[in-house]
Amino acid sequence: QITLKESGPTLVKPTQTLTLTCTLSGFSLNTRGLGVGWLRQPPGKALDWLAHIYWNDDKHYSPSLRNRLTISKDTSNNQVVLTVTNMDPVDTGTYYCARRISSGGAYFFDIWGQGTLVTVSS
Amino acid sequence: SYELTQPPSVSVSPGQTARITCSGDALAKKYVYWFQQRVGQAPVVIIYDDSERPSGIPERFSGSSSGTTGTLTISGVQAEDEADYYCQSSDISDHNLVVFGGGTKLTVL
Repeated sequence: QITLKESGPTLVKPTQTLTLTCTLSGFSLNTRGLGVGWLRQPPGKALDWLAHIYWNDDKHYSPSLRNRLTISKDTSNNQVVLTVTNMDPVDTGTYYCARRISSGGAYFFDIWGQGTLVTVSS
Repeated sequence: SYELTQPPSVSVSPGQTARITCSGDALAKKYVYWFQQRVGQAPVVIIYDDSERPSGIPERFSGSSSGTTGTLTISGVQAEDEADYYCQSSDISDHNLVVFGGGTKLTVL
């Protein structure tokens, strides 16, 4: 069974750095053609893509958040880590990680984790 | 353009057909994907590559795309289909720049 599970702090203070971990099960990011991404959803609002990383360490970031995001993979532990610097209350929301697979020459997020709610408040 | 536009809400009675549109210049050249998100749950992909349905997704869900508009059609809507629906595609010049629509709340009357 393929699953992804997000973990990290539920509460961070403004200006702090958020570090989230996505633990993969049932597949490996060593597998050619696969990727893992991070997405978030502020309360009551739409989904927003943040970043994703592929098996070959190719990384891509949302242009609006590029200077605050870092995505990396730890294949020995089958994990993908996202850091977000300079957190602000507007960054409050549910953070999801999702597997990215290839189909028809394009990629999409086919399996999502359950999400983790992060609140930014002093 | 790097935007996808969806209607904020659609309402239908059980058994009727619901259609949810997604508009964006990129859809003329890029695939559209559709996700269903029930209250308190993670999104689930229900349509990929414009019109393909993953295994386990009921046949009443179908997708199409023409020009700059993608359409999700739910035939014979059931109460359990009440959820938020999001379309997703990519920037017209870079498939790694992911974009979501604003979401459509489907209400089953």
